[in-house]
Formats: sequence, structure tokens, C-alpha cells
Amino acid sequence: KAGVTQTPRYLIKTRGQQVTLSCSPISGHRSVSWYQQTPGQGLQFLFEYFSETQRNKGNFPGRFSGRQFSNSRSEMNVSTLELGDSALYLCASSVQGVLDTEAFFGQGTRLTVV
Amino acid sequence: GNSVTQMEGPVTLSEEAFLTINCTYTATGYPSLFWYVQYPGEGLQLLLKATKADDKGSNKGFEATYRKETTSFHLEKGSVQVSDSAVYFCALSSTGGFKTIFGAGTRLFVKA
Repeated sequence: KAGVTQTPRYLIKTRGQQVTLSCSPISGHRSVSWYQQTPGQGLQFLFEYFSETQRNKGNFPGRFSGRQFSNSRSEMNVSTLELGDSALYLCASSVQGVLDTEAFFGQGTRLTVV
Repeated sequence: GNSVTQMEGPVTLSEEAFLTINCTYTATGYPSLFWYVQYPGEGLQLLLKATKADDKGSNKGFEATYRKETTSFHLEKGSVQVSDSAVYFCALSSTGGFKTIFGAGTRLFVKA
């Protein structure tokens, strides 16, 4: 079956712009989580959605937002981009997001802010 | 809050050497523990998991045992291969938080 699909794979944006990243989970998965991966900070949790509801949010500024659609696809948006937002953004899906459920990751979107 | 601490890398080993990557955690309740692996240019893949104390997760020759008394989940492999070169992440997940918390990752280089 198809895996988690993230688009686009690569993005270059200018400081101050906004960006929208997309994640299509595995069919039947209702939980989608987003992570930011940087060399200095490792994997930082952004937020988790389940059935169009945000259930948890990490410690990121309000410039980072997300949403989930009725087909479980999710988008995250970053407004007023800063140089420090350059990172690999990973999306993970799971059936329900409960503690013993495996999370399946996409290949990520590499965002570069110049 | 919950957290995961794993040994810093990089770890460089020769092929067929024994591998240990240490991981300790802090958590309330009874979390599930995971090891994920990330190959270059890829997302993370689940390597193994354990959902309760004394459980041993194993996959592809890798093993880790959930030790509640020492709050540890160390990753081991008896004989590493060049193809095992990757970044390894220890992680925990607990109910109520709906999120998985990752360690900083340990990069492993295996030389032929």
C-alpha cells in the first residue's frame, strides 16, 4: 500500500514569506503528526491531528499552524518565515495515534529560507 | 515532562563489531518505547518497539529491552554491517499526550 506522501520535497523561500506543506497519510490512518528536524535541535514535535481536531501542540510560535481535512490529509503553514525555520519537516501517520501504534513517516519536505 | 536521552554520536565501528546505543527516559505512567532508524535522504522507519516493562523488541538483528527499574531501552546488535550506517532515534509515546518524543539521534558509521 502507498506510504505517507509529503509534498513538495524541496522548497526555497525568502524571509518574510509564508509556506504551506502537505501530507497525505496512509489510507485508513486518522492521526497525523508533524515534526521539525534540524541538526541542532533534533526532532521537535509541532502538532498532532486526529479526525480534523488538533489534540496536541508543541512549543512553537503561532506562526506555525496546521489543519486536517475530512480525508485525513493534513497541511501545515508557516507564516512570516525566518532563517531559523530552515529545516526538514516530517509528517507521520498512524491509525489512532495511541501509545503502542507504529508511526509511519514520510520522506519530509526540506525547507530552506534565504 | 517526558524526555528521552540517548548517547551522543557519531559512533564509528568496523563491520562485524558489537553495537550498543544507550537510551534512558523520563516519563510518567507507562510509556511505550521505540527505536527508529533514518537512512540518508529518508524519513524515519520503525526499527523495533516494546510496550511494557521487560518486553524485548527485536528486528533485523537489533534488540532492546524495556527496563523500568533503570528507565532504559538500550539498542544492541551483535554484528553490524555497512548497511546499518544511519541515524538511530530512541523515542517514547504515552497516552494523554498524543505525541511521540524523540531523543537527539545517534549517527552510526560502519566501516568495511
